[in-house]
Amino acid sequence: DAMVIQNPRYQVTQFGKPVTLSCSQTLNHNVMYWYQQKSSQAPKLLFHYYDKDFNNEADTPDNFQSRRPNTSFCFLDIRSPGLGDAAMYLCATSRRAGTGLSEQFFGPGTRLTVL
Amino acid sequence: GESVGLHLPTLSVQEGDNSIINCAYSNSASDYFIWYKQESGKGPQFIIDIRSNMDKRQGQRVTVLLNKTVKHLSLQIAATQPGDSAVYFCAENTGTASKLTFGTGTRLQVTL
Repeated sequence: DAMVIQNPRYQVTQFGKPVTLSCSQTLNHNVMYWYQQKSSQAPKLLFHYYDKDFNNEADTPDNFQSRRPNTSFCFLDIRSPGLGDAAMYLCATSRRAGTGLSEQFFGPGTRLTVL
Repeated sequence: GESVGLHLPTLSVQEGDNSIINCAYSNSASDYFIWYKQESGKGPQFIIDIRSNMDKRQGQRVTVLLNKTVKHLSLQIAATQPGDSAVYFCAENTGTASKLTFGTGTRLQVTL
């Protein structure tokens, strides 16, 4: 089935040690998103790609970077994780056409632990 | 700024009863709305969506109602089951944007 895949599902890193989370999709959607979600909160958008155009949220720290080498893959790089970056990271995809946005599908998430 | 919010943080219903989860939005330009279900430790799961040219849309056991006059959205779940226990988020989009704005979430607890 077409889907959004995130790897790994659980990631443990040390304080300050760079980490990369990956996302792939088989939906051929032109928009990909990265969200951060902490306990009992709504997902918080970090940035998104509309095709190759990168759109950063104003309050996303510089510590968070993203890459989208092709339509199917998108990466989240955390350059120097702090304890406050421990969270669930969600990837999502959507199709944006002239009529607007279509349904946004989420991956299962990667739970990041920072020691 | 514009926001989407929910009235009730926790809703407790008995198995078999109908559930109604409400959402208020403030952006009058919003024209697309989605309801998500999120179970513990999982990503949000798409339930149902509705565009602003409609006021009602039905799925399997779920109905979304949109009242643009008062900027209110609701999710109705018929014959609520224990498997419906989760946090439910509403999200909205405006036609010029590629992103969704999420509400704060409502936890639905189904009691036996």
